Amino acid sequence: ETGVTQSPTHLIKTRGQQVTLRCSSQSGHNTVSWYQQALGQGPQFIFQYYREEENGRGNFPPRFSGLQFPNYSSELNVNALELDDSALYLCASSLGTGQETQYFGPGTRLLVL
Amino acid sequence: RKEVEQDPGPFNVPEGATVAFNCTYSNSASQSFFWYRQDCRKEPKLLMSVYSSGNEDGRFTAQLNRASQYISLLIRDSKLSDSATYLCAALYSSASKIIFGSGTRLSIRP
Repeated sequence: ETGVTQSPTHLIKTRGQQVTLRCSSQSGHNTVSWYQQALGQGPQFIFQYYREEENGRGNFPPRFSGLQFPNYSSELNVNALELDDSALYLCASSLGTGQETQYFGPGTRLLVL
Repeated sequence: RKEVEQDPGPFNVPEGATVAFNCTYSNSASQSFFWYRQDCRKEPKLLMSVYSSGNEDGRFTAQLNRASQYISLLIRDSKLSDSATYLCAALYSSASKIIFGSGTRLSIRP
């Protein structure tokens, strides 16, 4: 196991609602990256947090936002949910933002109805 | 064109066979590359990192060709337990992001 945990494991929401997903990084890791993985696709980079600041962002609208706490755990917030937001949301932790390996948590499976 | 492209497969090979996957990337600024393995409904797990020309770990060999901008993964003496989706990823450290391919499905038959 990687030591990265995520909650909840599964979630069902309806269009227009808001959702918060949580991630605890591996002990000693100060960087958390969030990914969205739709069925049959590879993970798509949403954004990365390093020492509580956003440190890179993929091609996702502003209704996807995040937060990192002093203990390096992180949240992903999605507002105004759309049907296409249904996916597996993965967080990955690493030590630093360079070539360090990212270790994934088990993911949160979100279904938007 | 996608930044990281993989043959989606599926590859269906007999146990004991050697199988190779290729992955191409479009951004020459990529500095590090990874192969992840993902089982059905599970998270990706790191299989191998590739920083220079290649890497070998037991039955698995990864090679990087910067001139042609591709990475390959070779699996020798394949086992039933190798059945999974294999994801190739490129790190752009200047943008602090990892770009994944769509994955290649591998099925090993007895």
